[in-house]
Amino acid sequence: EADIYQTPRYLVIGTGKKITLECSQTMGHDKMYWYQQDPGMELHLIHYSYGVNSTEKGDLSSESTVSRIRTEHFPLTLESARPSHTSQYLCASTQQGSSNQPQHFGDGTRLSIL
Amino acid sequence: QKEVEQNSGPLSVPEGAIASLNCTYSDRGSQSFFWYRQYSGKSPELIMFIYSNGDKEDGRFTAQLNKASQYVSLLIRDSQPSDSATYLCAVSGNTPLVFGKGTRLSVIA
Repeated sequence: EADIYQTPRYLVIGTGKKITLECSQTMGHDKMYWYQQDPGMELHLIHYSYGVNSTEKGDLSSESTVSRIRTEHFPLTLESARPSHTSQYLCASTQQGSSNQPQHFGDGTRLSIL
Repeated sequence: QKEVEQNSGPLSVPEGAIASLNCTYSDRGSQSFFWYRQYSGKSPELIMFIYSNGDKEDGRFTAQLNKASQYVSLLIRDSQPSDSATYLCAVSGNTPLVFGKGTRLSVIA
């Protein structure tokens, strides 16, 4: 069973607020990922990290930013939330090494910007 | 651009039947292949992975891989209404996993 935690599970907040979505894993995984997914739609990779102080943008352009100061922690920040940011945000992690390792997902954060 | 293609469905099968889900991928260098199940409003959960050509069985699930044809499939035997979900195919090489858009499966009681 993967131990990857996302908080909050749900967030409803007004336009213009700064938001940080938390993601932590206790497995010592080096690789971590953020995905954005609208209801009934496909997963979009928005950020990933292969280790401390390493972050990359994913396939989908996003106004969010990420940081990786500690191995177990990969927070995502929106400086000024807008209604277009309303979506589900999923965090995942996998072990470094061969490409044969699957990704394990957290339960997600459902974000609604009013 | 590495691509993973899946029929979006919905694929409807009667309870007890075999559900067959298919996936093709564009990158011949892909090494690992995963099937995830995602219930509505939930996060994806890993149900199968396969690395080598041929079949791999786990309970009611069988994954099939044909690297020459760049094709991977998932068979679900004795389908149950609880199997109704979206099934995501994911392919890995030396880059982040590439996910297909998913096939929605509906098992009719």
